[in-house]
Amino acid sequence: SAVISQKPSRDICQRGTSLTIQCQVDSQVTMMFWYRQQPGQSLTLIATANQGSEATYESGFVIDKFPISRPNLTFSTLTVSNMSPEDSSIYLCSAIGWGTATYEQYFGPGTRLTVT
Amino acid sequence: AQSVTQLGSHVSVSEGALVLLRCNYSSSVPPYLFWYVQYPNQGLQLLLKYTSAATLVKGINGFEAEFKKSETSFHLTKPSAHMSDAAEYFCAVSVGAGNQFYFGTGTSLTVIP
Repeated sequence: SAVISQKPSRDICQRGTSLTIQCQVDSQVTMMFWYRQQPGQSLTLIATANQGSEATYESGFVIDKFPISRPNLTFSTLTVSNMSPEDSSIYLCSAIGWGTATYEQYFGPGTRLTVT
Repeated sequence: AQSVTQLGSHVSVSEGALVLLRCNYSSSVPPYLFWYVQYPNQGLQLLLKYTSAATLVKGINGFEAEFKKSETSFHLTKPSAHMSDAAEYFCAVSVGAGNQFYFGTGTSLTVIP
């Protein structure tokens, strides 16, 4: 299985600023995703992070607000731009493995963001 | 289109009692099905998965789930609840290897001493 780490684990940010969250996987993976989980709710897919090309965003999420990079097979970043209190949430990075692990999706521990 | 329905957003059981968390899915193709557990302030951990092999799947921590195609269900069970089982549980469906997962809304399990 893949082990995923995220930095920072939590942050408190002021309205109007931006935060970049890093996601590092300990092995090569096929696909990487970014999710948002608002308090007491399920996971909402923000986008698929594509290696070397623009991310694929789900309905309701745009690149200007959530720019994503994936420069290689094991690393991705999500930026939450021009933050407002409504962006307070947990942001989760996930990845799907190679070979026999392509059925499984692994998750990072999440980044807990509070916007004041 | 794929979707997952988890019946019961909150389930309470006594310690030692049977745990049953319900999940029904909708899929236009044979699905792959998953259960994840999320402990407070942590990410999601894979409990078990169904990928078209045995219909009764055993996972970690004594949990198991049975794929029933006729009922489009993949309910999660554990014979005897432990206090450490208190967590949020998510059911998910995928249409195949390397594809997007669709998550249910989650079930919060409380274990009463």
